[in-house]
Amino acid sequence: EDQVTQSPEALRLQEGESSSLNCSYTVSGLRGLFWYRQDPGKGPEFLFTLYSAGEEKEKERLKATLTKKESFLHITAPKPEDSATYLCAVHTRAGGTSYGKLTFGQGTILTVHP
Amino acid sequence: EAQVTQNPRYLITVTGKKLTVTCSQNMNHEYMSWYRQDPGLGLRQIYYSMNVEVTDKGDVPEGYKVSRKEKRNFPLILESPSPNQTSLYFCASRPQTRGTGELFFGEGSRLTVL
Repeated sequence: EDQVTQSPEALRLQEGESSSLNCSYTVSGLRGLFWYRQDPGKGPEFLFTLYSAGEEKEKERLKATLTKKESFLHITAPKPEDSATYLCAVHTRAGGTSYGKLTFGQGTILTVHP
Repeated sequence: EAQVTQNPRYLITVTGKKLTVTCSQNMNHEYMSWYRQDPGLGLRQIYYSMNVEVTDKGDVPEGYKVSRKEKRNFPLILESPSPNQTSLYFCASRPQTRGTGELFFGEGSRLTVL
């Protein structure tokens, strides 16, 4: 069974204190890994897609990287407005259909203090 | 503005009283899906639709029904709600040309079943 684990569950940073969030996976045939941001009371907002080990994507203070077993979301010099829950999801060959299966992690709650 | 609109946003109901949560998207997306989000369990897929008149079960379809008569609408029907269906529900969509995990989410519908 595909498993996606995000760590830590919660992370508190001071403004400007860089850090990383982790998404590790044990899946059958990775087709893609996706990062989302979710603000309180809102739906998840798509950030990045990564398809193969070694791939990196950047957007403002965020950089997502992918290895064969995990993905990291690096946050450089975070600001209070980066506070949110960050979700990762993996698309795999599981599910018994050509469509495959999308499995979400439980998320990391990031709080950035001024 | 491109968006996925869900209604109602908040609903308190009683066991057994049929209800429908509507979802509408204005982006002409072929794919639409319903998820529920529960603490500690993350986002789990209920049903999805690849196009009009094409629907299929996700991971947790029991107790739910869907229909896709028009491209823009994908209502979620709870024929006889039970307390274990108390949850935060999200509708999502994407065009067929985008990656499987690159979803546009609505703002959520918080349902409480007493």
